[in-house]
Amino acid sequence: SQQGEEDPQALSIQEGENATMNCSYKTSINNLQWYRQNSGRGLVHLILIRSNEREKHSGRLRVTLDTSKKSSSLLITASRAADTASYFCATSPGNTGKLIFGQGTTLQVKP
Amino acid sequence: NAGVTQTPKFRVLKTGQSMTLLCAQDMNHEYMYWYRQDPGMGLRLIHYSVGEGTTAKGEVPDGYNVSRLKKQNFLLGLESAAPSQTSVYFCASSLSGTSGRAKYEQYFGPGTRLTVT
Repeated sequence: SQQGEEDPQALSIQEGENATMNCSYKTSINNLQWYRQNSGRGLVHLILIRSNEREKHSGRLRVTLDTSKKSSSLLITASRAADTASYFCATSPGNTGKLIFGQGTTLQVKP
Repeated sequence: NAGVTQTPKFRVLKTGQSMTLLCAQDMNHEYMYWYRQDPGMGLRLIHYSVGEGTTAKGEVPDGYNVSRLKKQNFLLGLESAAPSQTSVYFCASSLSGTSGRAKYEQYFGPGTRLTVT
């Protein structure tokens, strides 16, 4: 069964607005990652946050992690049409390298 | 570097036929993975390998076999295809922790779209 549940399942915003996606998971983790998937393509790694970190930034991306609530959020600021994609959280529960993916949030950014 | 490549990109099989999907990576990664992605769902791990000659089952291994004879290649086999195996298959690879670098970041191939009729 899948570890992560993402919310919302779909999000539609205007260019320039911020987009926030949330991920909840069930078991303890080593780290949590976010990936982007453009239509018809493979996944691309965006950012990794370790279990002992609370917030991480990368360009227009901001990720938070709350291990007490077993949840994470991904914020994309000043969105662009090119940000239109599906976004997945993935948790690494142990030391095996395996990832467990959520169902994803489909983001549409309208120009 | 080509990164992770997958062959073929598309395939249509009849029920009961067999086929092999090939994944190749040129990044000298130790770990390799096979996932399937179905509509409205995230990726589910089929099998994975932590090194040449070793394989292990993931979340949904039934109906699939794998082999890792060479470090750079990871093969996924379907011995007797079923319509339930209609899916998009992704291969990924990652470095191991002993390298001290991006241990868990996975690099994905472009996918193979398989239809079983």
